[in-house]
Amino acid sequence: GAGVSQTPSNKVTEKGKYVELRCDPISGHTALYWYRQSLGQGPEFLIYFQGTGAADDSGLPNDRFFAVRPEGSVSTLKIQRTERGDSAVYLCASSFRPPSGGANTEAFFGQGTRLTVV
Amino acid sequence: GIQVEQSPPDLILQEGANSTLRCNFSDSVNNLQWFHQNPWGQLINLFYIPSGTKQNGRLSATTVATERYSLLYISSSQTTDSGVYFCAVVPNTNAGKSTFGDGTTLTVKP
Repeated sequence: GAGVSQTPSNKVTEKGKYVELRCDPISGHTALYWYRQSLGQGPEFLIYFQGTGAADDSGLPNDRFFAVRPEGSVSTLKIQRTERGDSAVYLCASSFRPPSGGANTEAFFGQGTRLTVV
Repeated sequence: GIQVEQSPPDLILQEGANSTLRCNFSDSVNNLQWFHQNPWGQLINLFYIPSGTKQNGRLSATTVATERYSLLYISSSQTTDSGVYFCAVVPNTNAGKSTFGDGTTLTVKP
């Protein structure tokens, strides 16, 4: 697609429930990133995929959080047993890594999913 | 990990004024981007500038990688420039992990 697409745009769930957030990156982008943004703060890194594999998942806060990218395109962020502290805007971004290696190119962000746990 | 500091945290301008936003970082980087987050939360790309100087209309940016800082210049500010400006860096030691600063909140008054 023309840009990074995230669905749903808003999600309200009850404490303890399971949620899935979807990210559809820019076509051809090999790298995909998930971030979480709380009110008044900058986005906080969660996980980064290069292709199908998670190259860096050091930002996932605990084992309730998991993300997949099975075909190297669409990614799903999964949160089990949601807690009120998980309420935030979840942002996805994508970029391209040249075949020759080196730094990833400019990253573009989706509009985010606002998750509210009640 | 790498530390990113943005200053000032808040800035209030009269329409038509100029401003400079600063981003300091604690380690060598291979990627630096400036974003504008609009009131609806969308992060808008302003500059991809790991080094050097770029200009786009009323906005320009300079990154001095050897001294570990970047500057974003806004000239002849407009009310639509209001919002939060973020700097995000990727350290040389990690090809993918971007670290954001806490942002500068800009308010432009008519």
